[in-house]
Amino acid sequence: SQQGEEDPQALSIQEGENATMNCSYKTSINNLQWYRQNSGRGLVHLILIRSNEREKHSGRLRVTLDTSKKSSSLLITASRAADTASYFCATDAGTGANNLFFGTGTRLTVIP
Amino acid sequence: AAGVIQSPRHLIKEKRETATLKCYPIPRHDTVYWYQQGPGQDPQFLISFYEKMQSDKGSIPDRFSAQQFSDYHSELNMSSLELGDSALYFCASRGTAGSPLHFGNGTRLTVT
Repeated sequence: SQQGEEDPQALSIQEGENATMNCSYKTSINNLQWYRQNSGRGLVHLILIRSNEREKHSGRLRVTLDTSKKSSSLLITASRAADTASYFCATDAGTGANNLFFGTGTRLTVIP
Repeated sequence: AAGVIQSPRHLIKEKRETATLKCYPIPRHDTVYWYQQGPGQDPQFLISFYEKMQSDKGSIPDRFSAQQFSDYHSELNMSSLELGDSALYFCASRGTAGSPLHFGNGTRLTVT
């Protein structure tokens, strides 16, 4: 299975602090994507990093990818209460299967 | 901008009944995915369609079937419902391989 494993499973921080979530996966990928999910809602795409990229930024988000270790991290800087959500990584093999496999997710709570 | 539309938003069924979930992808998106997410679980890939043909199959039970119609909307048909089928069912679409998925807000199915 390509499914990623994320750690930590739950993270609680104070507003203004940085939050780091990690994702590990098992097989080769074409790209890795991070999604956010508010409770009971659909997933929202945050950022996509391709296998030939090592780091990518989008606003307060910073994603790194280490294909040799088959791992990725998502850093949210200067967290806000509104960042409270579950965060999932998803791997895209880019094969004919053409689907994403999601990791187990990290539940982030930002305390105001 | 138009998003992925799923209906119904909530559905309550009894054991052994049938259910049909509908998904309307973003216009000009030709690929549709179905995911099942149990309470506190990560989204599990069920099945996907590309250009109205099934493109990949995941952990979809034999009791479930799905199809994509000529207008690209998709329906997930679930028969002989079991208590364990209670979950959020998400549909997602994308226009090109390797691009992010756009998720609907899901259908919450409760089987009693």
